[in-house]
Amino acid sequence: EDKVVQSPLSLVVHEGDTVTLNCSYEVTNFRSLLWYKQEKKAPTFLFMLTSSGIEKKSGRLSSILDKKELFSILNITATQTGDSAVYLCAVSNAGGTSYGKLTFGQGTILTVHP
Amino acid sequence: SAVISQKPSRDICQRGTSLTIQCQVDSQVTMMFWYRQQPGQSLTLIATANQGSEATYESGFVIDKFPISRPNLTFSTLTVSNMSPEDSSIYLCSVGPTSGETQYFGPGTRLLVL
Repeated sequence: EDKVVQSPLSLVVHEGDTVTLNCSYEVTNFRSLLWYKQEKKAPTFLFMLTSSGIEKKSGRLSSILDKKELFSILNITATQTGDSAVYLCAVSNAGGTSYGKLTFGQGTILTVHP
Repeated sequence: SAVISQKPSRDICQRGTSLTIQCQVDSQVTMMFWYRQQPGQSLTLIATANQGSEATYESGFVIDKFPISRPNLTFSTLTVSNMSPEDSSIYLCSVGPTSGETQYFGPGTRLLVL
């Protein structure tokens, strides 16, 4: 059974701090790892990672994947109150009837205080 | 990226009744997925809906409780049948993997069962 574990489960920081969110996974037939940000209802897409060691960057957010050690990190620098959200990590399965299926971690609740 | 809409956006229902949630995509997609997010929890896949074939349900979810239709490549419905308070959740449809292999989510339907 595919499994995704995120840590920490919650994090409280002040504006300007840098945070690192962790995601480890076990999947039978890895296709990709995805990061989402969830504020109200729908998760919004941040990054998709398929190759080890290649950093993806978007503004103050960046992410990298290690397929040997089976984990990924999401970094947020110079945090702002608007970064407060639940950050979800998910892995996509490439195999047969499981193709495209996403298995989600528990999420990390990030709270950024002014 | 695909634009996904869901109806209704929220509803309050009485136990024992059924609710049908609609998911509309602005482009043709092969694979659609239905997820549930119970309060304080992460997302769990209910089923995969492919056009022209029966939906594939995940462990713990059955067709009698969550019947799904997929009449064409841009539309799907999920019915939550014989509802109980435990069905109170956010229900999300998702499409993908797209050609960019990213999966996007609809805005979600927030359901409260009294």
